[in-house]
Amino acid sequence: AQSVSQHNHHVILSEAASLELGCNYSYGGTVNLFWYVQYPGQHLQLLLKYFSGDPLVKGIKGFEAEFIKSKFSFNLRKPSVQWSDTAEYFCAVNVGNTGKLIFGQGTTLQVKP
Amino acid sequence: EAQVTQNPRYLITVTGKKLTVTCSQNMNHEYMSWYRQDPGLGLRQIYYSMNVEVTDKGDVPEGYKVSRKEKRNFPLILESPSPNQTSLYFCASRALRGGADTQYFGPGTRLTVL
Repeated sequence: AQSVSQHNHHVILSEAASLELGCNYSYGGTVNLFWYVQYPGQHLQLLLKYFSGDPLVKGIKGFEAEFIKSKFSFNLRKPSVQWSDTAEYFCAVNVGNTGKLIFGQGTTLQVKP
Repeated sequence: EAQVTQNPRYLITVTGKKLTVTCSQNMNHEYMSWYRQDPGLGLRQIYYSMNVEVTDKGDVPEGYKVSRKEKRNFPLILESPSPNQTSLYFCASRALRGGADTQYFGPGTRLTVL
């Protein structure tokens, strides 16, 4: 069965530190990849997505992610985090052309001012 | 404004008392689904619907029912809620165009079953 694994469950950083959150998926076929963010008390918002083309995708608020097909990975990065980036981050995979999203367990990011 | 709405946003109930959480979208999307979010487990799909009168089970359907009588609405029904259904619930919708598309999520419903 397809699955998504996020390696870091809880990350604590100081402002201006660089961020990388790992995401690996298990599926050998065509996938569409997403990162969602959930700020405290709010609903899920799309941060960025990869469907095809350039494997380095840029999203909102300075986030980017790189799709490495050979490693089945889609890691999220940001060069310099801000206190306002404190949130929970979810990696998700859409397999084939179905509507179903398979989510990772989530990573809680805490940024200290 | 394109959006997915859910009601209620917060609900505290008791075991066995039937409840319905409504979900509505204004984007004419064919596909709608329900997820529950639990700490350490991420979001898991409960039920989904590809169009009116077409519904199917997701990964964790036990204890839930859904219906899709109209394209815009996709209510989640708990006939006899139990404490293990205490969770944060999200409704989502997307279009079923030729390629993949982005899902839009509702604001969430926090349910507590005592």
